[in-house]
Amino acid sequence: EEQLVESGGGLVQPGGSLRLSCAASGFTFSTYWMSWVRQAPGKGLQWVANIRQDGKELYYADSVRGRFTISRDNANNSLYLQMNTLRAEDSAVYFCARVANSIRDRWGQGTLVTVSS
Amino acid sequence: EIVMTQSPGTLSVSPGERATLSCRASQSVSTNLAWYQQKLGQAPRLLIYGASTRATGVPDRFSGSGSGTEFTLTISSLQSEDFATYVCQQYKHWPETFGQGTKVEIK
Repeated sequence: EEQLVESGGGLVQPGGSLRLSCAASGFTFSTYWMSWVRQAPGKGLQWVANIRQDGKELYYADSVRGRFTISRDNANNSLYLQMNTLRAEDSAVYFCARVANSIRDRWGQGTLVTVSS
Repeated sequence: EIVMTQSPGTLSVSPGERATLSCRASQSVSTNLAWYQQKLGQAPRLLIYGASTRATGVPDRFSGSGSGTEFTLTISSLQSEDFATYVCQQYKHWPETFGQGTKVEIK
């Protein structure tokens, strides 16, 4: 079964850092672009970042560029999101998603990040 | 940035009835439009891509139509498991953007 499982969320103070992980299984992880998408409480989905199969092409939403870093470890079928200088508006459920032809065809269940003092 | 507007915000439908959901793009996205089903605490599920192509395993009671700026998701006969939030997404223009969602609830 194709599966994505996020972890690493939690409560962090403004200005703090957090690293999210996404473990992939059931498919050939190294052959797909991957993505992070977030959803603030009561709000819609917002794309955060994309990474190419080899990890050498990265894209970020303007709201996180310079603070967040997407990366991957194909040997361990894992996707990461390093989040620095966190703000209250970064509070959200963060989903990892597999990307096929620009379509997010498989999603994880999400991990909650709360930025608050 | 392309703004995706979904209507209505909430749709109350009885089981077995048809549900029609709308999605409008602020400029043309051709047929680069996907629909997702989202249930609380669960992973979003891809239903439709290319505006009208059902994803693998999606029942044929789900259908998508439209192009350019106007799109429709139709659920022909609502089943209990279909009560959820439905979200459209354009992937024609960077950055990819999502609608706010339409919640389909039991009438």
